[in-house]
Amino acid sequence: QVQLVQSGAEVKKPGASVRVSCKASGYKFINYRLSWVRQAPGQGLEWVGWIHTYNGNTDYAQKFQGRVTMTTDTSTNTAYMELENLRSDDAAIYYCAREASIGGLDYWGQGTLVTVSS
Amino acid sequence: EIVMTQSPVTLSVSPGERGTLSCRASQSVGTNLAWYQQKPGQVPRLLIYGASTRATDVPARFSGSGSGTEFTLTISSLQSEDFAVYYCHQYNDWPRGTFGPGTKVDFK
Repeated sequence: QVQLVQSGAEVKKPGASVRVSCKASGYKFINYRLSWVRQAPGQGLEWVGWIHTYNGNTDYAQKFQGRVTMTTDTSTNTAYMELENLRSDDAAIYYCAREASIGGLDYWGQGTLVTVSS
Repeated sequence: EIVMTQSPVTLSVSPGERGTLSCRASQSVGTNLAWYQQKPGQVPRLLIYGASTRATDVPARFSGSGSGTEFTLTISSLQSEDFAVYYCHQYNDWPRGTFGPGTKVDFK
C-alpha cells in the first residue's frame, strides 16, 4: 500500500534551518510528483512547493522562495524539504503529499511538527 | 497567484440534513479543483478531484460540481463522521496550488 512516512518533530531556534524527510513506499517513486503543504496551529492548509521526483525540477510558493529547498534521493525513495532562516510564524505541521496523476493530492504523510522557539 | 475563497466559514447542520459548501476562485481554474476533508488531529483526505469525481472509497453522499470560478461540495445527508473542515484546492496554476481557507461543518 502507498505510504509516505515523514521524519519526527523538530524544535528549532529562530534563524536556524530545518530539514524534513518523506520516505515513500508502495509505488514507483519517480512516477509521481510530490508537494509540500504546511498547516500552522489552528489554521488552514498552505502550499509550500513541489518537486518532480523524476528530474528534480522544483517550484516554490513565492513567499518561500530563497528560503526553501526541495530535493529527492531516488536511491532511497525519499524527498526532503529544507527551510532556512526560520521565524516564529514558520511553526507548523509540514506535510508531504503525492500528486495524483488525475489531479489533487491523493496520499499524505503523517505530518512533521516544526516548533520555532528561542 | 490564484486566490481561493470559501463560504460559509462555519456550516451548522444536523445529522441527516444536506450540507452545501461553496468555493470560489479569483480566476478560472477550469475543473482543476479538489476537495479535502480534515478531521481534528488527522491528515487531509482527498474527497473530490477534477471538480466532480469522487476519490477512491469516498461515499456517494459526497458530490462536487462547478467549473471556472464557482464550485460546490454537497453532502446529501450528513453523517456524524462528516463533521470536519473541508478545503478546496486549485491545481490549474500547475505546479502551483492554492487552498481555500476552509469551511468547518459542525453540529447545529
